[in-house]
Amino acid sequence: QSALTQTASVSGSPGQSLTISCTGTSSDVGSYDLVSWYQQHPGKAPKLMIYEVSKRPSGVSNRFSGSKSGNTASLTIYGLQAEDEADYYCCSYAGSSTPYVFGTGTKVTVL
Amino acid sequence: EVQLVESGGGLVQPGGSLRLSCSASGFTFNNFAMHWVRQAPGKGLEYLSAVSITGGSTYYADSVKGRFTISRDNSKNTLYLQMRSLRPADAAVYYCVKDVGGSDSHWGQGTLVTVSS
Repeated sequence: QSALTQTASVSGSPGQSLTISCTGTSSDVGSYDLVSWYQQHPGKAPKLMIYEVSKRPSGVSNRFSGSKSGNTASLTIYGLQAEDEADYYCCSYAGSSTPYVFGTGTKVTVL
Repeated sequence: EVQLVESGGGLVQPGGSLRLSCSASGFTFNNFAMHWVRQAPGKGLEYLSAVSITGGSTYYADSVKGRFTISRDNSKNTLYLQMRSLRPADAAVYYCVKDVGGSDSHWGQGTLVTVSS
């Protein structure tokens, strides 16, 4: 099972919006509405930001929004803030034989 | 509060073995499948292994199949990862994870494995 493809890095100014994409295949992202997104700050464990494509766990800012179209999922961050600077990983369920696959990761830089 | 605390990492020579442990608390451990995810230095997340609620069903990524063994002791609320024939490429932070991708996903703080002579 190959990793999901993400843009290596994106940047934006405070207050702007930016979108991170996550491209998989018809065997993972395209088959299941079970895409999640994780935020990881340096030296820290990943933190769940979005699950089941577009749902936010309790405590996660509504500035984070998820969506999916075909084999590509997206995470949009609205009103970019300095604390949003981190690495972001998508993750998709891929079936019982290969339960989960992660994306290659995107480094978000706040200018 | 859900807590996952990994231990057992350290420095090991190529070809050596290590057993990682993950002590779980704050939830009903035997109601959840459990997972190991690793992250090599400066690299992305790699989904490694999973074990079912009873321990009767397991999954391994191709990169560790035949060398790593996942298990759990529900009486001790503990998850394990026995690692054998370690290679430099296995050097990483190893995370214990509850509910990968689900609404109640929790990760431990990770334990560092270094493979070097």
